[in-house]
Amino acid sequence: GQQLNQSPQSMFIQEGEDVSMNCTSSSIFNTWLWYKQDPGEGPVLLIALYKAGELTSNGRLTAQFGITRKDSFLNISASIPSDVGIYFCAGQDTGANSKLTFGKGITLSVRP
Amino acid sequence: DTAVSQTPKYLVTQMGNDKSIKCEQNLGHDTMYWYKQDSKKFLKIMFSYNNKELIINETVPNRFSPKSPDKAHLNLHINSLELGDSAVYFCASSYRGTNSPLHFGNGTRLTVT
Repeated sequence: GQQLNQSPQSMFIQEGEDVSMNCTSSSIFNTWLWYKQDPGEGPVLLIALYKAGELTSNGRLTAQFGITRKDSFLNISASIPSDVGIYFCAGQDTGANSKLTFGKGITLSVRP
Repeated sequence: DTAVSQTPKYLVTQMGNDKSIKCEQNLGHDTMYWYKQDSKKFLKIMFSYNNKELIINETVPNRFSPKSPDKAHLNLHINSLELGDSAVYFCASSYRGTNSPLHFGNGTRLTVT
């Protein structure tokens, strides 16, 4: 089946630093999404990307949909303590019954 | 508040029991999902319903039976619970099709003892 690769499993950064996360796939997706999950809550959508090459920002977050449609990255600039959480990439395939496939997530820790 | 809401948030039960988790969304979406998140935080789709019709059924034991009385509700019933069923179960909803991101509930933590 489709697999999304996110690594490393954990990242540790200093408050104020920028961080970049990458996600790669063995197959093409029509849509790439980035979610963040806080403890005890469900994943919350950060950014949605719908076109190859698309670059989208949401505040301090920037994400890009790779030209090959097999990868995406998420950048967080000037990190703050509340950026702590698990960041998931997700790819959505085509069709009316399309489903979302998630990467394994990256746990981000921000040191004050 | 517009949201996807699940109940209960925590469910502790013994092996062999039957339990249900309820989910409701008031976002006007026509498609609802159940995802399972294991102890390593991996999110895997279990089922998807569109307007009460099952459209995605991944390889899930038939002890798990989703029921959708209408497009705003998708409940999950689990028979004969096993230790390996312990996980966090997330309900989600969206519009059908590619360009509609999923909105998730806050999860139900199921612990089977």
